Amino acid sequence: SQQGEEDPQALSIQEGENATMNCSYKTSINNLQWYRQNSGRGLVHLILIRSNEREKHSGRLRVTLDTSKKSSSLLITASRAADTASYFCATDATGGFKTIFGAGTRLFVKA
Amino acid sequence: DAGVIQSPRHEVTEMGQEVTLRCKPISGHDYLFWYRQTMMRGLELLIYFNNNVPIDDSGMPEDRFSAKMPNASFSTLKIQPSEPRDSAVYFCASSPSTGQGAGYTFGSGTRLTVV
Repeated sequence: SQQGEEDPQALSIQEGENATMNCSYKTSINNLQWYRQNSGRGLVHLILIRSNEREKHSGRLRVTLDTSKKSSSLLITASRAADTASYFCATDATGGFKTIFGAGTRLFVKA
Repeated sequence: DAGVIQSPRHEVTEMGQEVTLRCKPISGHDYLFWYRQTMMRGLELLIYFNNNVPIDDSGMPEDRFSAKMPNASFSTLKIQPSEPRDSAVYFCASSPSTGQGAGYTFGSGTRLTVV
């Protein structure tokens, strides 16, 4: 079973707009990661946030984590057509080294 | 570093045939993972190794699947005999031992089609 579930399943926006994707998970975690996958390619690690962190930034990416709600969000600001991809959250459950991926959000940025 | 290298990129085989997928992790990474991706089931963790030793193979679907890591620079995933439902993209990923926070580096995947 999947640990993380992304919402929405698909998102279509105009270039320049912000894109927000959400992830919910079920069990206690050590950390939560976000990955991007372009069509036909492998996953690329974007950012990791630890369970004792609430917010993290990397360039145009902003990730938040709410462990009380078991949820995370990924915000991409000033989106570009090149941001078109699928985005996955992944969690490492406490006490394990088994990273489980969610089903992903498909983002389409229209130029 | 050339990253995680998988071969072949594409494999088409007939049902019942043996299939071997190969992976070369990033040098110095102590963890190696095999994932399978399908539209229906998403990304599934099949097995992972630490220092060449299989740690958790609970995701391996059936006895038809086996994985080995004879040394730190090479791993194989074998399916014998293959079935059409094994058709998927198989990814190998590696990670350093500096903790679960390092993030994984994925290969480009092997797209397997069993006809």
